[in-house]
Amino acid sequence: QSALTQPASVSGSRGQSITITCNGTSSDIGAYNFVSWYQQHPGKAPKLMSWDVTFRPSGVSSRFSGSKSGNTASLTISGLQAEDEAVYYCSSSGPFNTVIFGGGTKVTVL
Amino acid sequence: QVQLQESGPGLLKPTETLSLTCTVSGGSMNSGDYYWGWIRQPPGKGLEWIGKIHDSGNSHVNPSLKSRVTMSIDAPKNHFSLRLTSATAADTAVYYCARHDVSGYDPYYHYYMDVWGQGTTVAVSS
Repeated sequence: QSALTQPASVSGSRGQSITITCNGTSSDIGAYNFVSWYQQHPGKAPKLMSWDVTFRPSGVSSRFSGSKSGNTASLTISGLQAEDEAVYYCSSSGPFNTVIFGGGTKVTVL
Repeated sequence: QVQLQESGPGLLKPTETLSLTCTVSGGSMNSGDYYWGWIRQPPGKGLEWIGKIHDSGNSHVNPSLKSRVTMSIDAPKNHFSLRLTSATAADTAVYYCARHDVSGYDPYYHYYMDVWGQGTTVAVSS
């Protein structure tokens, strides 16, 4: 099953906004609002940041917001902070009730 | 608060079978609301979804691993397990267990991992 496509890295200064994109196809991201995002700090387990494009778990800052247009999903981090520096993975539904991930995007806070 | 903890051998030889168990605490596994599954991450690389299993026994596996993966679940005892046969160096990774929540409607579902274990490192080497 094919993976989703993410940029390898994105950077921004503290206080700025950045957007991470996740490109899929009409069979996954484009088909439904089935996109989730995960944050992973070095040496730690991933953490769910959003699901169904826009829903956030309790405890996740409102600075993180998801959106989707066509076959591309996006995660925007506003008011960038030092603790946002991490790798972010998008995920969607694959065929036959499977899960697919993007390759991950390293966010650097300048 | 539900917590997950992986356990199993950290080192095995090529051709051996990798066996891991995930123990769930702080909640019940047999509510029927979730799937329970596995994700791995090779050193310096991204996440790879392995598979998931429901307490009904229903399971789904990554097609690329399907021939080598077996999963089992013992909901009353609050644990589930992964077996991966014929291990090679390419199976060296951090293995995470995770609870899979679900959204959507029949037959279109989205599974997302809302609770993760801390991960366990497995190395395959002779």
